[in-house]
Amino acid sequence: SQQGEEDPQALSIQEGENATMNCSYKTSINNLQWYRQNSGRGLVHLILIRSNEREKHSGRLRVTLDTSKKSSSLLITASRAADTASYFCATDGAGTALIFGKGTTLSVSS
Amino acid sequence: DAMVIQNPRYQVTQFGKPVTLSCSQTLNHNVMYWYQQKSSQAPKLLFHYYDKDFNNEADTPDNFQSRRPNTSFCFLDIRSPGLGDAAMYLCATSRGGQGAWEGYTFGSGTRLTVV
Repeated sequence: SQQGEEDPQALSIQEGENATMNCSYKTSINNLQWYRQNSGRGLVHLILIRSNEREKHSGRLRVTLDTSKKSSSLLITASRAADTASYFCATDGAGTALIFGKGTTLSVSS
Repeated sequence: DAMVIQNPRYQVTQFGKPVTLSCSQTLNHNVMYWYQQKSSQAPKLLFHYYDKDFNNEADTPDNFQSRRPNTSFCFLDIRSPGLGDAAMYLCATSRGGQGAWEGYTFGSGTRLTVV
């Protein structure tokens, strides 16, 4: 399986702090994506990084990808209470459907 | 707004009683997916349709089937639900070929309870 594994499983921070989540995967990929899931809801696509990219930004999100280490990180800067959610990485190698990792649960307190 | 809609949001079914979950989309995406997500776990791909072509994951139980009568609708049928099938079922869509570069669009999910 090319399932990603997120680290840490849970993260608690204060508003205004930065949150960093890591993802590792097993096989070659075409791209890696990050999704957010609020409790009891569907997933929302946040950002996609292609295998030939090393870093990508979107608003307060910064994603890095290291294909040699088969790992990615998601940085959320200046966290807000509304960022409280679970975050999943997902990989799509060789045209397969997305396979999701186990997720990181982020709790941001005010 | 273009979206993916899942009905119902909550479904309670009896052990062994067939149940159908539905998904519709207004995005005109040609790929539709069904994922199963149990509590505190990763979404697990059950199967997907690329247009009319059905793709079943190797470890999806035979108890789960799917139908896609047209581009807009996709159904998940659970023939004989067991207690272990209680989960959130997520429908997602993407544009085939290009979908991998744009991300998937998910519905809000149907939470299935088996009693």
